[in-house]
Amino acid sequence: SYELTQPPSVSVSPGQTARITCSGDALPKNYAYWYQQKSGQAPVLVIYEDSKRPSGIPERFSGSSSGTMATLTISGAQVDDEADYYCYSTDSSGNRGVFGGGTKLTVL
Amino acid sequence: EVQLVESGGGLVQPGGSLRLSCAASGFTFSSYWMTWVRQAPGKGLEWVANIKQDGSEKYYVDSVKGRFTISRDNAKNSLYLQMNSLRAEDTAMYYCARDSEFGAYFDYWGQGTLVTVSS
Repeated sequence: SYELTQPPSVSVSPGQTARITCSGDALPKNYAYWYQQKSGQAPVLVIYEDSKRPSGIPERFSGSSSGTMATLTISGAQVDDEADYYCYSTDSSGNRGVFGGGTKLTVL
Repeated sequence: EVQLVESGGGLVQPGGSLRLSCAASGFTFSSYWMTWVRQAPGKGLEWVANIKQDGSEKYYVDSVKGRFTISRDNAKNSLYLQMNSLRAEDTAMYYCARDSEFGAYFDYWGQGTLVTVSS
């Protein structure tokens, strides 16, 4: 079955840039999406179609994709950005979704 | 306002069955693909199943194929997940989510219903 691979954790100091990667064989063909999930809450979309930002999401969140790797970048990370981040895409058929294993972002 | 409200979770023994429901409001339910996503305690998100607007297409993650059935009733604005032959590894919070009409992502989520499979 198709898999997306993320690092389990990323840690930065406030104001630094955090980068979270997501690798998958179908990413050259399919978009990557990024969700933020804070403890006890439902996920929130922060990036769609590799690099687009939904309304209401701060400009410090950006996304990119090249080949089999997508990257979520948080420029000037804030303590409030501490959360689990999940990449999401579809398999090669486009019919089934798949989440990456998630990355815990620590900002301290 | 778009709302998705899940119900039907609870404690069930291994091998048992449970039916989850998701009541949708605030949008034209029959116009959207819908998806179930689950999250085991302390673990990551897992896509479980989705269903087309008219119910004519359904897809499942391999681990639930043959045990879970996704369905919908557009007249009742409701999404369902029938779960049979439940296993301990099915223990999770189950979320229903609306697929965006603009792309392969979820634009609204419910708050989830907890399923615990244990003897």
